[in-house]
Amino acid sequence: GQQLNQSPQSMFIQEGEDVSMNCTSSSIFNTWLWYKQDPGEGPVLLIALYKAGELTSNGRLTAQFGITRKDSFLNISASIPSDVGIYFCAGHGGGADGLTFGKGTHLIIQP
Amino acid sequence: ETGVTQSPTHLIKTRGQQVTLRCSSQSGHNTVSWYQQALGQGPQFIFQYYREEENGRGNFPPRFSGLQFPNYSSELNVNALELDDSALYLCASSPRIPGANVLTFGAGSRLTVL
Repeated sequence: GQQLNQSPQSMFIQEGEDVSMNCTSSSIFNTWLWYKQDPGEGPVLLIALYKAGELTSNGRLTAQFGITRKDSFLNISASIPSDVGIYFCAGHGGGADGLTFGKGTHLIIQP
Repeated sequence: ETGVTQSPTHLIKTRGQQVTLRCSSQSGHNTVSWYQQALGQGPQFIFQYYREEENGRGNFPPRFSGLQFPNYSSELNVNALELDDSALYLCASSPRIPGANVLTFGAGSRLTVL
C-alpha cells in the first residue's frame, strides 16, 4: 500500500538539540497529522493540521501544513530524553479514506 | 474517559487458521478503523466502520473482514492466515464530526503466524 515519504529515517542527536523531520506526498491531503509511537504502544497524536499553510505548536513541538498540501514538517525544540521514539506523519484525503502514514522517523537521543 | 482497548495483546497462529481480534472504542467515539503495522513500517489502513457498516477500505483482500456492534466496539477477522499477516494490528476510534480525522489508537494486538 501507499506510504508517504518521510525523512530522515533515523536521527541520533544530543539532548538539548533541535530536531526537524518532514514528509512529502504525491497526493494532496486535506489534513496532516503527526503521531509518536513508543515501544509496545499505539501511535499517540501530537499535532493535527487542517489548512494549507497552517503553522501549529504544541509545547516544544511545531508543525506546518505545506501550501501545496503535499508536504508537512515537524520541529522539536530543545529535545529531552522522553522525546525518544518513532514519529509518524499521516495524511487524510477526506471522506471515508483512511490515514496514509509515512514509514516513520526513529529519534534517538544520546546523553 | 477510557481510551481504546484491544484484546488479545499477543497471539500465535499457524498458516491457514483464522483469527478474531477485538476492540473497544473510546467513550463518545462512534467510528472505528483498523490498521496493520508490519515491523519497521507505518500503519496501513484496512477498513473503517460507522453505524455497524464498512464505509471505507484499504488495499486488503476479502479474507480481512470486520464487524461493528451497537456499542461501537469492533472485531477484525482474518481467514486463511498467511505468514505475511504477522504484524501489529491497531484499532483506532474517532468521533464522526467534520474535521475529526484525528484517531485515538489502542496499543494493538501482535499477531505471529507460523
